[in-house]
Amino acid sequence: AQSVTQPDIHITVSEGASLELRCNYSYGATPYLFWYVQSPGQGLQLLLKYFSGDTLVQGIKGFEAEFKRSQSSFNLRKPSVHWSDAAEYFCAVGSYNNNDMRFGAGTRLTVKP
Amino acid sequence: DSGVTQTPKHLITATGQRVTLRCSPRSGDLSVYWYQQSLDQGLQFLIQYYNGEERAKGNILERFSAQQFPDLHSELNLSSLELGDSALYFCASSPRGLAGGGSYEQYFGPGTRLTVT
Repeated sequence: AQSVTQPDIHITVSEGASLELRCNYSYGATPYLFWYVQSPGQGLQLLLKYFSGDTLVQGIKGFEAEFKRSQSSFNLRKPSVHWSDAAEYFCAVGSYNNNDMRFGAGTRLTVKP
Repeated sequence: DSGVTQTPKHLITATGQRVTLRCSPRSGDLSVYWYQQSLDQGLQFLIQYYNGEERAKGNILERFSAQQFPDLHSELNLSSLELGDSALYFCASSPRGLAGGGSYEQYFGPGTRLTVT
């Protein structure tokens, strides 16, 4: 079965600075990859997804992620962070041949003014 | 707004009691998933239904059960509640999740916050 690791529990960046959140997955075949964001007290919102094709995926709210098969990674990036981006971010990995979606433990993002 | 609705938003109950959480998926979505989110355990997958049938089971306790009805709404029943069951319970629906498998993007509801006292 697939699994996913988010190495950073908590990240703090200054408003306007660039952001990269790390995600590493484990799966023998081509994974389906997702990033979700959760604001306090809210449900998870899908930011972007990767199934196949172009390895650089654009999402909502100015986020993008790059699938790197050689590194088993799917890192989330944003060139300039806004205070409203402060939230918890979850990476998830799925598969084309099973119903098993695995979520990472999440990375909490704090944005400094 | 994801289009997934959950009721109630908050629920406070006592140990030993039974509660039912309700979820209505997005229009047209056949798959429904239930998750439990707590501070110590993170986001835990409980169970999935596809078009009325159970498709996958995660870390769901025997005291918990779920079902999906013909109109595709789903209910999660939690019984003999313990303090440790206090958590946020999320429902998510997926536009795919074929009978043969495949885990696709999920759309989450706002959650039900359960407090067991």
